[in-house]
Amino acid sequence: GQQVMQIPQYQHVQEGEDFTTYCNSSTTLSNIQWYKQRPGGHPVFLIQLVKSGEVKKQKRLTFQFGEAKKNSSLHITATQTTDVGTYFCAGPYSSGSARQLTFGSGTQLTVLP
Amino acid sequence: DAMVIQNPRYQVTQFGKPVTLSCSQTLNHNVMYWYQQKSSQAPKLLFHYYDKDFNNEADTPDNFQSRRPNTSFCFLDIRSPGLGDTAMYLCATSRVTGVYSPLHFGNGTRLTVT
Repeated sequence: GQQVMQIPQYQHVQEGEDFTTYCNSSTTLSNIQWYKQRPGGHPVFLIQLVKSGEVKKQKRLTFQFGEAKKNSSLHITATQTTDVGTYFCAGPYSSGSARQLTFGSGTQLTVLP
Repeated sequence: DAMVIQNPRYQVTQFGKPVTLSCSQTLNHNVMYWYQQKSSQAPKLLFHYYDKDFNNEADTPDNFQSRRPNTSFCFLDIRSPGLGDTAMYLCATSRVTGVYSPLHFGNGTRLTVT
């Protein structure tokens, strides 16, 4: 199997500042997914990246997949208080005869008003 | 709206007293998963069903069992809960198995073992 390592674990920003979280793998990933979990809530799927060097945008969120497909990042421009939560990346790992998603450790974002 | 529903939202049980958590889905997805999420940690996959085919993770304790009587429902049984089983239990579904299908999570059941 393989794991995805995610940094930083915590990030505090002032409202309006930018935020980035990074996921890294020692092996090539076929794909990577990103989820957001609000405090007290459940993870919600944001996006999936599949192609080498892929960049996708959702309003103020920009998702990137590295050229080698070993790393990914989520960048939020001009954070708002509604961005508060924990952001998880999830990548594939081998579980017996099947492949499943394993979650990174998450980055907990706090936005100070 | 199609969704994943978990009951109860909060559950308190005593050490060693069996407990069952339930999950239902109206998405008509083939795959249903159970995750355990402890405080400030990532969700950890316990097992999943692809249709009626049960798949257990290698490190899931024998104390945890699951049943899927039909497409819509899935249950998590904890036979003899320990204090370390205090966690949020998340049910999720996906349309197909594998790593490309996004996961749709329920609101979770927060279990406290006393």
